[in-house]
Amino acid sequence: DVKVTQSSRYLVKRTGEKVFLECVQDMDHENMFWYRQDPGLGLRLIYFSYDVKMKEKGDIPEGYSVSREKKERFSLILESASTNQTSMYLCASSSREGAFFGQGTRLTVV
Amino acid sequence: DQQVKQNSPSLSVQEGRISILNCDYTNSMFDYFLWYKKYPAEGPTFLISISSIKDKNEDGRFTVFLNKSAKHLSLHIVPSQPGDSAVYFCAASEKGWDKLTFGTGTRLQVTL
Repeated sequence: DVKVTQSSRYLVKRTGEKVFLECVQDMDHENMFWYRQDPGLGLRLIYFSYDVKMKEKGDIPEGYSVSREKKERFSLILESASTNQTSMYLCASSSREGAFFGQGTRLTVV
Repeated sequence: DQQVKQNSPSLSVQEGRISILNCDYTNSMFDYFLWYKKYPAEGPTFLISISSIKDKNEDGRFTVFLNKSAKHLSLHIVPSQPGDSAVYFCAASEKGWDKLTFGTGTRLQVTL
């Protein structure tokens, strides 16, 4: 079974903190993605990566950065968390077999 | 600019009847379309997909129809079951399992 694992299910952080969301996949997929899901807005693409050390901006990259040092791991970084980054964050990986999502991280910034 | 639109935020259907979820898109470069199902506090799970060279794809109770000229696709669930109650997202990509553009989702409730 393909597995995409996100390091935390729930996180509460303070405004201004630097936040790291980790994602690991075990299927040797080239492509990895970070989305956020908000009510009424669906899933919006933040960043994606087609290979190690490679990253590309998605539709809403402002306030975020990413790191892909190893093929299986894709990290999302909130440089200085703000309340408008309170959301459900979803990591995905894909190849010809399909696109698979992690269980999500519910981040609350207070 | 919303390239993939799901205009019905919610839908309620009786158990055993057909559920029809609709999706419209604006980007002519999209050539692969997918439906995902999502329960609260879980990641989306893949349901069914269709390539732009087809107009229909079936998998058990789920059928997806694509009308390229109208830039419209729909998901039919027959018969609907209470376990189908979830949020359904339509998604599209320009090449296969590449980055996906999602719609805003439709919450389906299947009632007894």
